[in-house]
Amino acid sequence: EDQVTQSPEALRLQEGESSSLNCSYTVSGLRGLFWYRQDPGKGPEFLFTLYSAGEEKEKERLKATLTKKESFLHITAPKPEDSATYLCAVHYSSASKIIFGSGTRLSIRP
Amino acid sequence: EPEVTQTPSHQVTQMGQEVILRCVPISNHLYFYWYRQILGQKVEFLVSFYNNEISEKSEIFDDQFSVERPDGSNFTLKIRSTKLEDSAMYFCASSGQRNEKLFFGSGTQLSVL
Repeated sequence: EDQVTQSPEALRLQEGESSSLNCSYTVSGLRGLFWYRQDPGKGPEFLFTLYSAGEEKEKERLKATLTKKESFLHITAPKPEDSATYLCAVHYSSASKIIFGSGTRLSIRP
Repeated sequence: EPEVTQTPSHQVTQMGQEVILRCVPISNHLYFYWYRQILGQKVEFLVSFYNNEISEKSEIFDDQFSVERPDGSNFTLKIRSTKLEDSAMYFCASSGQRNEKLFFGSGTQLSVL
């Protein structure tokens, strides 16, 4: 059973067209939810950590939010350089490891 | 900015051979990890390591795999008797606190022929 599910699998936007990526989780005892960016052939690059429902974090055109069941990564007025795969990952109390979702491949057209 | 370094970037080996993947974590980090990503699939946890011991390992990390911190800077993953299905990108990561803000290297692409 998938514990971390990301949607959509792929998203194509026009430059400047804002949207949101979803990460839903079914684990109990969430200890941290992470967002990473991954460029082709590279390792994941850390973006945000969220710990509790209601928490929000921002960085440039990205904003991450967290509820008790899901997290959103909002992208405002994206640019072509925001094109990448965005990964969600969770650490929860019954597992001493961080597990990743399948990611959303984001493509921004100029 | 400090970074995690992995070598080699690409490794091609014959089935049944042993490979060692090398990583230099960020110098003041204490927690080390190996993940792998088969083409088109999720990033999968393999093992975590702290204080010269394995902290956690996945079902994938069987007797074929081992990790070692041979000196104060390197962290290695050894895969014995490689199989075709071991072909993947292997990522090393490190963190200053357990399971917090992992910093990943650029990976070693392992191809088993």
